[in-house]
Amino acid sequence: AQRVTQPEKLLSVFKGAPVELKCNYSYSGSPELFWYVQYSRQRLQLLLRHISRESIKGFTADLNKGETSFHLKKPFAQEEDSAMYYCALSAWDDKIIFGKGTRLHILP
Amino acid sequence: DTAVSQTPKYLVTQMGNDKSIKCEQNLGHDTMYWYKQDSKKFLKIMFSYNNKELIINETVPNRFSPKSPDKAHLNLHINSLELGDSAVYFCASSQDVTGTTEQFFGPGTRLTVL
Repeated sequence: AQRVTQPEKLLSVFKGAPVELKCNYSYSGSPELFWYVQYSRQRLQLLLRHISRESIKGFTADLNKGETSFHLKKPFAQEEDSAMYYCALSAWDDKIIFGKGTRLHILP
Repeated sequence: DTAVSQTPKYLVTQMGNDKSIKCEQNLGHDTMYWYKQDSKKFLKIMFSYNNKELIINETVPNRFSPKSPDKAHLNLHINSLELGDSAVYFCASSQDVTGTTEQFFGPGTRLTVL
């Protein structure tokens, strides 16, 4: 079965501390993974995708096929990082399968 | 006990036809959304309803009309389908409109217009 699991519903991190939002997936094939973000009162937006290996707003995510994970990381959290983060997988039919989301709360 | 369901999951139709995609959520949420996924996996919001009232209406052709018969349903009707309407459409719901509560996404409907 194709599935995206975000084990943490809420993650609180102090400003300046490292952030890691966990994401595990289940997919029989070569997956395409993404992270989406929704800031308070803003639209859902694509944050990054694994194929482009980019760093957006200081966030990176590496696809680990052995562990079937695509954790989102940032070395130093900033207050403006507080948001809902969704891990997602693009399936064989090009549809996106979303995780349930993790709310990241940056503490001052 | 599916949270957000969409029907159909796949829809293939001819240009010029009128079609509907249905969405239902059993989470008791007040807010529902329709998104269009583009080829680069960006999700563009089309409409949002809160308690059956339209609150977001992006620049979408008039051929697209959402209908919310009750809080648990938000259907998308498309008139005179065009080739460019081919895409994956996602329905989602959340507890409120603030964006501070998580969205639950449906499985998506892949629309193919021939």
